[in-house]
Amino acid sequence: GESVGLHLPTLSVQEGDNSIINCAYSNSASDYFIWYKQESGKGPQFIIDIRSNMDKRQGQRVTVLLNKTVKHLSLQIAATQPGDSAVYFCAENKGMDVFWGRVSYGKLTFGQGTILTVHP
Amino acid sequence: DARVTQTPRHKVTEMGQEVTMRCQPILGHNTVFWYRQTMMQGLELLAYFRNRAPLDDSGMPKDRFSAEMPDATLATLKIQPSEPRDSAVYFCASGLVQETQYFGPGTRLLVL
Repeated sequence: GESVGLHLPTLSVQEGDNSIINCAYSNSASDYFIWYKQESGKGPQFIIDIRSNMDKRQGQRVTVLLNKTVKHLSLQIAATQPGDSAVYFCAENKGMDVFWGRVSYGKLTFGQGTILTVHP
Repeated sequence: DARVTQTPRHKVTEMGQEVTMRCQPILGHNTVFWYRQTMMQGLELLAYFRNRAPLDDSGMPKDRFSAEMPDATLATLKIQPSEPRDSAVYFCASGLVQETQYFGPGTRLLVL
């Protein structure tokens, strides 16, 4: 029968290649962004975050780029490995709350996700 | 290795029954979130708490869902009565003010 539900973007790469996963966010006022990785049957796992006062942030084998002009976020994975195969979500902070005088970035809105498949 | 724990991991129930899902946040985390993930809607925020007080539950159907934190080490999400459309994976996450959220393994709920 016909399948219903979200049709997630997919990206297939060869082991050792670099991967780039893209995300368009919706709220120009959002100022905190996170990338999560979700493997089958598991909860989302934090990868890297970036605040809007930065354009680029690097972690171990991962780099996040933020282009506020076009509201675009990307995740670059260097030397992709089969263990990187998963669904990748970007998340943006769309609503801030102030707690004890400090701005909190707790409330996140998630994108639909991208399926990354790494072939040996 | 501190982790968010959730119970049960799987639940199958019949329409009309009460369902209770439990979450133990990471010790010391003062913010707890409940999310629901489905193929149709993706990952949706249902509610979140800070220092056990509800801050936002606008994403939660009020007539049948309720979320509480009886103490700092336990968060609960109840559905009464449950309906087939509630079938989903429910995630709990915890964090600190101005820090990222750490997710539990989820409760996979199937309502027949």
